[in-house]
Formats: sequence, C-alpha cells, structure tokens
Amino acid sequence: DQQVKQNSPSLSVQEGRISILNCDYTNSMFDYFLWYKKYPAEGPTFLISISSIKDKNEDGRFTVFLNKSAKHLSLHIVPSQPGDSAVYFCAASTLEYGNKLVFGAGTILRVKS
Amino acid sequence: GAVVSQHPSRVICKSGTSVKIECRSLDFQATTMFWYRQFPKQSLMLMATSNEGSKATYEQGVEKDKFLINHASLTLSTLTVTSAHPEDSSFYICSASVGGRVLFFGSGTQLSVL
Repeated sequence: DQQVKQNSPSLSVQEGRISILNCDYTNSMFDYFLWYKKYPAEGPTFLISISSIKDKNEDGRFTVFLNKSAKHLSLHIVPSQPGDSAVYFCAASTLEYGNKLVFGAGTILRVKS
Repeated sequence: GAVVSQHPSRVICKSGTSVKIECRSLDFQATTMFWYRQFPKQSLMLMATSNEGSKATYEQGVEKDKFLINHASLTLSTLTVTSAHPEDSSFYICSASVGGRVLFFGSGTQLSVL
C-alpha cells in the first residue's frame, strides 16, 4: 500500500520558468511533510517542509503548498535553474509512527537551459 | 543543516562475506537513526529504526539476522550486512534527526555483491 504517491515520474521545464512537483498521500495521520532533492549515488538533501497546521511555507525559490482536504501537496520552484535538475522526493511522517519518513517514488526534474 | 557522515561510500565484496556500514552524527547527538535502502530507480524504503542503547526495530519483511544494527553511542550507528548475496546489492542510506521533525541523511553506501 503506497501511502505517499508521486504520479509524475518526470518533469521537464525551461530555465527561468516555474517547476511544480506534486505529491498525494492517503494516510490522514501524516502531519508533517518534507521535500528532498537527490542526485544519483548521494543521500537526499532536505529542501523544505511543512506542518499540517499550515497551508504554505516559503523558503527562497522554494514554496510548498499543502491541501489537507485533498491530501495533496506541491513544491513550486521559481525561477527554475539548470542546477535544480535532480530527483525530488516527497516524504511524510507522523509522531504516531515514531517520526519515520515514508517516501514517494520520486520525480525526475530536468531544467533545460 | 545537521551533518550525518556515512562510510564507506562504496564497497564491493564477494558473496558470503559481511559488510559493515557506519553512520555518524557529527555535530549533534542522535538517540534514533533510521536506515533506508534504495534499489535503482526506486524509492527509499525504510529498513529499520536504530535506537541508542536498545534493540533496533525492523520494518516488515526485513531480516534482522541479516541486517544487524548496533547503536552503541549517541553519535554512531552501524549496519552490518551478514553473508551478503548479490540480491543485497543496493544503495544504503542512514538518517538522523537533531530533535525536530526533519531527518538529515548521510551520503549513502553503494554495496555491490559479486
């Protein structure tokens, strides 16, 4: 049972435009959501997170939106840069499960210059 | 962010041998560390939760006798893959929290079993 889903395996965006990465979850107990960026053969790098008590969190070029009723979150990157090209993982957690992260399948983002 | 150091970054071993992977929290104490595994082009799957001073908690389907976890101090957790076989070849990653909800990850270990 996949509790965190990233339905788009890949996304291609032109440099300077907005990248929107989507994530859906099924477990209503999740109350904390994170986005990580990952390169091959490296560990994930934390980007941004959001608590379920908020609907938006912004950090520089990165903004995460949370729609609890739809069990959906998205990561917006604007403007997109070629260095943003990587695999992006959405993750969710709940203290009920000991703060373990459950990851989505990832979305490959390619930013073309 | 907090620094989690993982060694080795890459190991190639013969089938039947054991491999130890170390995960250290460099600038903070971690009572809990998490071990993940990633197969090519797949997501990160949690293997076990490593608790300092007590036994690790393994996820369903993960053999605890094959993947030995030791969390002997607040800054070090080790994962030993015992009697490794080619199907154990994977990318292993550890992570830890400073105390909040964000997990910071090590750089990962690529294990190749011949």
